[in-house]
Amino acid sequence: DGGITQSPKYLFRKEGQNVTLSCEQNLNHDAMYWYRQDPGQGLRLIYYSQIVNDFQKGDIAEGYSVSREKKESFPLTVTSAQKNPTAFYLCASRLTGRNQPQHFGDGTRLSIL
Amino acid sequence: DQQVKQNSPSLSVQEGRISILNCDYTNSMFDYFLWYKKYPAEGPTFLISISSIKDKNEDGRFTVFLNKSAKHLSLHIVPSQPGDSAVYFCAGYKSGGGADGLTFGKGTHLIIQP
Repeated sequence: DGGITQSPKYLFRKEGQNVTLSCEQNLNHDAMYWYRQDPGQGLRLIYYSQIVNDFQKGDIAEGYSVSREKKESFPLTVTSAQKNPTAFYLCASRLTGRNQPQHFGDGTRLSIL
Repeated sequence: DQQVKQNSPSLSVQEGRISILNCDYTNSMFDYFLWYKKYPAEGPTFLISISSIKDKNEDGRFTVFLNKSAKHLSLHIVPSQPGDSAVYFCAGYKSGGGADGLTFGKGTHLIIQP
């Protein structure tokens, strides 16, 4: 059963800590994306990767980092430099090729203690 | 600067009637549009899409219309069902096929009343 798995579903962080959100896909998609959603807002792009060992900054990359060592995995680290990290984080992937739709995981809700 | 705008935060429609969700865009670079449906605490699910070279695309109860000159698109759901209650996001790909990610509107919360 193919899909995108995000873990954990809920995550709590103390101020000053870095935390890493997991995203794994078994859809054999080359491209992967991270978005952030705040209440009453649309999704905003943090980082994306079109191929292993390569990734690009999105619209709101400050305070975040990513890696893409394997095709299936695209973890997102929320660093202590991110001033307002409380949000709902969504990972997506898609086939390469023009105008292919993105498919999303079920998200991780990050809260600051 | 919102490039994709959904100006109605919520919409209430009676079951069985037509739901019309609207979306406007400001950047002519967008050439492909997608609608997503989202339930609370879940990821968005792809519904339907349309290319800028078309003015209509239909899939079952869902139809998307595109008016390129007005930079406006709409999603029609007929007939509306209780399971359609969700937040609907309009999103666009800029020229280049979408490799660099989607630009989303803020969403419209559709409520289907019995």
